[in-house]
Amino acid sequence: AQSVTQLDSHVSVSEGTPVLLRCNYSSSYSPSLFWYVQHPNKGLQLLLKYTSAATLVKGINGFEAEFKKSETSFHLTKPSAHMSDAAEYFCVVRGSNSGGSNYKLTFGKGTLLTVNP
Amino acid sequence: EAGVAQSPRYKIIEKRQSVAFWCNPISGHATLYWYQQILGQGPKLLIQFQNNGVVDDSQLPKDRFSAERLKGVDSTLKIQPAKLEDSAVYLCATKSRSYEQYFGPGTRLTVT
Repeated sequence: AQSVTQLDSHVSVSEGTPVLLRCNYSSSYSPSLFWYVQHPNKGLQLLLKYTSAATLVKGINGFEAEFKKSETSFHLTKPSAHMSDAAEYFCVVRGSNSGGSNYKLTFGKGTLLTVNP
Repeated sequence: EAGVAQSPRYKIIEKRQSVAFWCNPISGHATLYWYQQILGQGPKLLIQFQNNGVVDDSQLPKDRFSAERLKGVDSTLKIQPAKLEDSAVYLCATKSRSYEQYFGPGTRLTVT
């Protein structure tokens, strides 16, 4: 079984300052991890993915995340926040294709990012 | 490329009534998912289809929820009868052979 814990339900930053959204995962195998973003009244959009290649993953809109196996973490960062980054962010772990898991996605509870002018 | 379409976008019903949601996937995407997203939580998988067959419905409350994908394209999710705790956003997602799931905008259901 797999799970993710997003350590902050709400993060507030000023425009132009760094963003850090924290995620820890639990998995009995080598996981695939994702970050999705959800803007109000819009569908979920994939930001970036980790699938056992490079541990530092770059995504869209200047976001990146680092897979740290020793810390079971996959934190999302961005050097400089923009007003348009305000949204809900979800850390997601994908199951394996065994035991009926069928690559099932398990979502965290989400972190709401607020960007202040 | 057109995205995943869902309708209606919003629905308000009274408890014990019935409701149905519709999803039209991206053309050629064989795998289709329905998720339930309760306010303040991440989406939870309800059911997964591969073409017109059910792969995983272990989280679907089968006493009141049903879903079908008769021709392996469009899908409908039905709730009958609805309860207050069914108030949520219902998301449809589809994917091809790659890992990425593409999500529709969702249907926001309010049960009063």
